[in-house]
Amino acid sequence: KAGVTQTPRYLIKTRGQQVTLSCSPISGHRSVSWYQQTPGQGLQFLFEYFSETQRNKGNFPGRFSGRQFSNSRSEMNVSTLELGDSALYLCASSLGQISSGNTIYFGEGSWLTVV
Amino acid sequence: GENVEQHPSTLSVQEGDSAVIKCTYSDSASNYFPWYKQELGKGPQLIIDIRSNVGEKKDQRIAVTLNKTAKHFSLHITETQPEDSAVYFCAASSGYGGSQGNLIFGKGTKLSVKP
Repeated sequence: KAGVTQTPRYLIKTRGQQVTLSCSPISGHRSVSWYQQTPGQGLQFLFEYFSETQRNKGNFPGRFSGRQFSNSRSEMNVSTLELGDSALYLCASSLGQISSGNTIYFGEGSWLTVV
Repeated sequence: GENVEQHPSTLSVQEGDSAVIKCTYSDSASNYFPWYKQELGKGPQLIIDIRSNVGEKKDQRIAVTLNKTAKHFSLHITETQPEDSAVYFCAASSGYGGSQGNLIFGKGTKLSVKP
Protein backbone atom coordinates (compact mmCIF):
# COMPACT_ATOMS: atom_id res chain seq x y z
CA LYS A 1 0.00 0.00 0.00
CA ALA A 2 1.51 3.31 -1.04
CA GLY A 3 2.06 5.92 1.64
CA VAL A 4 1.26 9.61 1.60
CA THR A 5 2.80 11.22 -1.48
CA GLN A 6 3.75 14.88 -1.62
CA THR A 7 4.91 16.88 -4.61
CA PRO A 8 7.10 18.67 -5.25
CA ARG A 9 9.74 17.58 -2.72
CA TYR A 10 11.86 20.70 -3.07
CA LEU A 11 11.15 24.14 -4.43
CA ILE A 12 12.54 27.65 -4.32
CA LYS A 13 10.29 30.67 -4.72
CA THR A 14 10.77 34.40 -4.66
CA ARG A 15 9.18 36.65 -2.06
CA GLY A 16 5.76 37.81 -3.25
CA GLN A 17 5.10 34.75 -5.41
CA GLN A 18 2.57 32.07 -4.65
CA VAL A 19 3.03 28.32 -4.36
CA THR A 20 0.82 25.25 -4.59
CA LEU A 21 1.75 21.98 -2.92
CA SER A 22 0.06 18.67 -3.64
CA CYS A 23 -0.73 15.67 -1.48
CA SER A 24 -2.10 12.23 -2.31
CA PRO A 25 -3.32 10.38 0.79
CA ILE A 26 -3.05 6.69 1.54
CA SER A 27 -5.64 4.79 -0.44
CA GLY A 28 -8.93 4.74 1.44
CA HIS A 29 -8.03 7.64 3.70
CA ARG A 30 -10.52 10.48 3.55
CA SER A 31 -8.91 13.06 5.81
CA VAL A 32 -5.90 15.15 4.87
CA SER A 33 -4.21 17.56 7.23
CA TRP A 34 -1.33 19.95 6.63
CA TYR A 35 1.47 21.05 8.95
CA GLN A 36 4.30 23.56 8.81
CA GLN A 37 7.60 22.52 10.38
CA THR A 38 10.32 25.03 11.19
CA PRO A 39 13.31 24.82 13.57
CA GLY A 40 11.92 27.62 15.71
CA GLN A 41 8.22 26.78 15.89
CA GLY A 42 8.28 23.04 15.48
CA LEU A 43 5.30 21.23 13.97
CA GLN A 44 2.29 23.49 13.61
CA PHE A 45 -1.15 22.48 12.39
CA LEU A 46 -2.40 24.38 9.35
CA PHE A 47 -5.75 22.81 8.48
CA GLU A 48 -7.63 19.57 7.98
CA TYR A 49 -9.90 18.55 5.11
CA PHE A 50 -12.44 15.78 5.18
CA SER A 51 -15.00 15.04 2.47
CA GLU A 52 -13.82 18.10 0.54
CA THR A 53 -14.62 20.44 3.45
CA GLN A 54 -12.23 22.22 5.76
CA ARG A 55 -12.99 20.84 9.21
CA ASN A 56 -10.38 22.54 11.33
CA LYS A 57 -7.92 25.38 10.98
CA GLY A 58 -4.80 26.38 12.83
CA ASN A 59 -3.58 29.86 13.63
CA PHE A 60 -2.18 30.92 10.27
CA PRO A 61 -2.99 33.98 8.14
CA GLY A 62 -5.43 33.83 5.26
CA ARG A 63 -2.51 33.61 2.81
CA PHE A 64 -2.49 29.91 3.62
CA SER A 65 -5.36 28.03 2.04
CA GLY A 66 -6.19 24.57 0.89
CA ARG A 67 -8.71 22.37 -0.79
CA GLN A 68 -9.59 18.74 -1.17
CA PHE A 69 -10.87 16.98 -4.23
CA SER A 70 -13.44 14.23 -4.54
CA ASN A 71 -10.68 11.59 -4.71
CA SER A 72 -9.35 12.89 -1.33
CA ARG A 73 -6.24 14.39 -2.90
CA SER A 74 -5.44 17.78 -1.44
CA GLU A 75 -3.57 20.92 -2.34
CA MET A 76 -2.41 23.78 -0.21
CA ASN A 77 -1.61 27.24 -1.49
CA VAL A 78 0.44 30.02 0.00
CA SER A 79 0.04 33.43 -1.61
CA THR A 80 2.29 36.48 -1.36
CA LEU A 81 5.19 34.44 0.00
CA GLU A 82 7.30 35.85 2.79
CA LEU A 83 10.81 34.84 3.85
CA GLY A 84 9.32 33.39 7.03
CA ASP A 85 7.27 30.92 5.02
CA SER A 86 10.42 28.92 4.34
CA ALA A 87 9.71 25.58 5.97
CA LEU A 88 9.01 21.91 5.52
CA TYR A 89 5.32 21.48 4.70
CA LEU A 90 3.99 18.11 5.76
CA CYS A 91 0.81 16.45 4.65
CA ALA A 92 -0.77 13.67 6.69
CA SER A 93 -3.71 11.42 6.00
CA SER A 94 -6.06 9.41 8.15
CA LEU A 95 -9.08 7.20 7.65
CA GLY A 96 -11.37 9.70 9.31
CA GLN A 97 -11.18 13.04 11.05
CA ILE A 98 -8.48 13.70 13.64
CA SER A 99 -11.24 14.77 16.03
CA SER A 100 -12.51 11.17 16.02
CA GLY A 101 -9.17 9.94 17.30
CA ASN A 102 -7.89 8.66 13.97
CA THR A 103 -4.18 8.02 13.56
CA ILE A 104 -2.44 10.27 11.07
CA TYR A 105 0.36 9.18 8.76
CA PHE A 106 2.78 11.71 7.33
CA GLY A 107 4.29 12.12 3.91
CA GLU A 108 7.93 13.02 3.34
CA GLY A 109 7.14 16.71 3.04
CA SER A 110 7.76 19.55 0.62
CA TRP A 111 10.76 21.72 1.37
CA LEU A 112 9.95 25.34 0.48
CA THR A 113 12.65 28.00 0.40
CA VAL A 114 11.61 31.61 -0.12
CA VAL A 115 14.36 33.93 -1.30
CA GLY B 1 -6.32 25.44 23.87
CA GLU B 2 -4.03 22.47 24.26
CA ASN B 3 -0.35 22.97 25.05
CA VAL B 4 2.22 20.17 24.98
CA GLU B 5 5.60 20.46 26.71
CA GLN B 6 8.32 17.95 25.84
CA HIS B 7 11.56 17.24 27.73
CA PRO B 8 14.44 16.95 27.26
CA SER B 9 15.14 18.77 24.01
CA THR B 10 18.30 16.71 23.50
CA LEU B 11 19.24 13.33 24.89
CA SER B 12 22.46 11.40 24.44
CA VAL B 13 22.78 7.76 25.55
CA GLN B 14 25.18 4.89 25.08
CA GLU B 15 24.12 2.01 22.88
CA GLY B 16 22.25 -0.53 24.98
CA ASP B 17 21.07 2.00 27.56
CA SER B 18 17.45 3.10 27.97
CA ALA B 19 16.05 6.45 26.89
CA VAL B 20 13.03 8.21 28.36
CA ILE B 21 11.25 11.22 26.89
CA LYS B 22 8.48 12.96 28.81
CA CYS B 23 5.57 15.12 27.72
CA THR B 24 2.95 17.03 29.65
CA TYR B 25 -0.32 18.33 28.28
CA SER B 26 -2.72 20.97 29.51
CA ASP B 27 -6.16 19.96 28.22
CA SER B 28 -7.73 17.31 30.43
CA ALA B 29 -10.06 16.45 27.52
CA SER B 30 -7.13 15.13 25.48
CA ASN B 31 -7.56 11.43 24.83
CA TYR B 32 -5.12 10.39 22.12
CA PHE B 33 -1.32 10.54 22.43
CA PRO B 34 0.87 9.44 19.51
CA TRP B 35 4.66 9.45 19.26
CA TYR B 36 6.51 10.10 16.02
CA LYS B 37 10.11 9.51 14.99
CA GLN B 38 11.62 11.80 12.38
CA GLU B 39 14.89 10.97 10.69
CA LEU B 40 16.89 13.57 8.84
CA GLY B 41 15.23 14.62 5.61
CA LYS B 42 12.16 12.49 6.16
CA GLY B 43 8.62 12.96 7.38
CA PRO B 44 7.59 11.91 10.91
CA GLN B 45 6.82 8.22 11.28
CA LEU B 46 4.33 6.94 13.84
CA ILE B 47 6.07 4.58 16.25
CA ILE B 48 3.49 4.06 18.97
CA ASP B 49 0.31 5.65 20.29
CA ILE B 50 -1.87 5.38 23.35
CA ARG B 51 -5.44 6.30 24.14
CA SER B 52 -6.74 7.58 27.42
CA ASN B 53 -8.47 4.36 28.36
CA VAL B 54 -5.14 2.54 28.89
CA GLY B 55 -2.16 3.33 31.08
CA GLU B 56 0.64 1.59 29.21
CA LYS B 57 1.36 0.12 25.81
CA LYS B 58 4.39 -1.82 24.59
CA ASP B 59 5.77 -2.72 21.20
CA GLN B 60 9.05 -4.63 21.38
CA ARG B 61 11.67 -2.16 22.69
CA ILE B 62 9.28 0.77 22.80
CA ALA B 63 6.70 1.53 25.46
CA VAL B 64 4.49 4.48 26.29
CA THR B 65 2.95 5.24 29.67
CA LEU B 66 0.12 7.63 30.41
CA ASN B 67 -0.79 9.30 33.70
CA LYS B 68 -4.12 11.05 33.16
CA THR B 69 -4.23 12.48 36.66
CA ALA B 70 -0.89 14.20 36.28
CA LYS B 71 -1.50 14.87 32.58
CA HIS B 72 1.77 13.47 31.38
CA PHE B 73 2.91 10.65 29.15
CA SER B 74 6.33 9.18 28.45
CA LEU B 75 8.16 7.26 25.75
CA HIS B 76 10.55 4.54 26.89
CA ILE B 77 13.08 2.98 24.54
CA THR B 78 15.07 0.05 25.91
CA GLU B 79 18.29 -1.46 24.56
CA THR B 80 18.89 1.57 22.36
CA GLN B 81 20.65 1.13 19.03
CA PRO B 82 22.39 3.68 16.78
CA GLU B 83 19.44 3.52 14.35
CA ASP B 84 17.22 4.89 17.12
CA SER B 85 19.01 8.22 16.67
CA ALA B 86 16.40 10.71 15.41
CA VAL B 87 14.08 13.46 16.58
CA TYR B 88 11.07 12.21 18.53
CA PHE B 89 7.81 14.14 18.81
CA CYS B 90 4.94 13.61 21.18
CA ALA B 91 1.46 14.91 20.42
CA ALA B 92 -1.92 15.21 22.08
CA SER B 93 -5.38 15.42 20.62
CA SER B 94 -8.45 16.54 22.47
CA GLY B 95 -10.57 14.91 19.84
CA TYR B 96 -14.29 14.72 19.37
CA GLY B 97 -15.32 17.63 17.30
CA GLY B 98 -15.06 21.31 16.74
CA SER B 99 -11.90 23.34 16.79
CA GLN B 100 -10.38 21.08 19.42
CA GLY B 101 -9.99 18.18 17.06
CA ASN B 102 -6.41 18.65 15.98
CA LEU B 103 -3.06 17.33 17.09
CA ILE B 104 -0.77 19.57 19.12
CA PHE B 105 2.89 18.57 18.99
CA GLY B 106 5.71 18.94 21.46
CA LYS B 107 8.88 20.69 20.30
CA GLY B 108 10.76 17.45 19.82
CA THR B 109 13.66 15.57 21.42
CA LYS B 110 16.84 14.91 19.50
CA LEU B 111 18.04 11.47 20.59
CA SER B 112 21.64 10.47 19.88
CA VAL B 113 22.71 6.90 20.54
CA LYS B 114 26.48 6.52 20.73
CA PRO B 115 27.95 3.19 19.61
